[in-house]
Parts: sequence; C-alpha cells; structure tokens
Amino acid sequence: GAGVSQSPRYKVAKRGQDVALRCDPISGHVSLFWYQQALGQGPEFLTYFQNEAQLDKSGLPSDRFFAERPEGSVSTLKIQRTQQEDSAVYLCASSFPTSGTDTQYFGPGTRLTVL
Amino acid sequence: AQTVTQSQPEMSVQEAETVTLSCTYDTSENNYYLFWYKQPPSRQMILVIRQEAYKQQNATENRFSVNFQKAAKSFSLKISDSQLGDTAMYFCAFMKQYSTGNQFYFGTGTSLTVIP
Repeated sequence: GAGVSQSPRYKVAKRGQDVALRCDPISGHVSLFWYQQALGQGPEFLTYFQNEAQLDKSGLPSDRFFAERPEGSVSTLKIQRTQQEDSAVYLCASSFPTSGTDTQYFGPGTRLTVL
Repeated sequence: AQTVTQSQPEMSVQEAETVTLSCTYDTSENNYYLFWYKQPPSRQMILVIRQEAYKQQNATENRFSVNFQKAAKSFSLKISDSQLGDTAMYFCAFMKQYSTGNQFYFGTGTSLTVIP
C-alpha cells in the first residue's frame, strides 16, 4: 500500500472486553511505533519494534496491553479487559532506517471507545 | 525524563500572514532530534520539519522554518505566507535514541486556524 493503514478505524468495546488493533506499515519499513493519543493531548509513546523485535515497551501503561509483530511487518496491539481510561486514538507509525530517525509515517489511527 | 511544552493551545492567523508556534523542551541529553508534526482534522499525522540537535543551522522546508535555540531549549515553528490548508493541530516532538530503540515525546499541541 501507499501508506500506513490501521484497522478498524473505530472500535467500541464494553468494559472488560478484549480488543485487537491492527497496523499495516509501509512495505519494507523496519521500525514500527505505537502511540496512544487521548482527547486534546499529544501522542504518547507506547512501544517500538525493529523488525520483529520489540526493543522498547516501556510506554505500555499496564500488563493488559500487549503488542506483537511476529513476522516483522504487520503489528497488532491487544488490550485485555478494557477499561474506560483506555478510550483514546491509537496511532501506528513506521519508518525505514533501523535507527528510526528518519521520517515517521503515521496511520490514520483507531479510535477506541470503551463504554 | 523528557518533557515537551507547547504553551499556546490555540492560535489564528490571517491568510498570507506569518505565524510562529512556540515549543520548549526539557532534557539533560546533548544529542537528540526535534520535529514538528501537523495533524489535520483527518487525523493523519504528517511530518512538517525536523532538526538534529547537533546542527546549528535552523532547518527550513519551503514556507516552514524553525528557530532552534539549544541553550534555551526552544524550538519554534514559523509558517510564512499562511494558507488555508495549514489549518491543523501542530505537535512539537522530541526524540532520543537509546541502545534499545528510540523514544518520542510529544507536546500537547497547538490548534492553528488560518482565517480567509
């Protein structure tokens, strides 16, 4: 594809449900980032992958959050037992160089609403 | 920890005029990167401009330029000849490379409206 895609674009979950958010990075991009953006706030770093390796997960807010990128391309962010405070837009971004210092290309985000 | 502060939640500018968005950051690091991102209502973040901290020369991209003051930890964005399409949220971001990867820190954003 031409850019980073994310699915679903919108997700409504009842409190306690598990959700899975998908990110398709630009083909060939080595680095992949997940961010959480609460309403009226800037994105907050969640986790970073270099190929299939999750090099940094220090931003994940709790052990209910889990991310994977098993084949070094598509990534999934899973949230177990969702809580209302998990409501936010989840952004995915990818970049080509291993250093990740080059331009990050962002997806459109998944807006998660937990009722 | 790094923090990024954008003190102007909202700004407006007349079309064709110039506007400056401010950003300050707090870090003890010496080598890092700074970015300005634009987020239109469609929510897809787009990189506007980037600056490496080791470079003294201010970055410029067409109508967009920065005033990078490393000692003051200031990184403002100047938009010249503002256009209606510049209406968006603008986020300042700080990035530091670590051996385990990179971390980005974003400010809370400035909502810019270009008035026809």
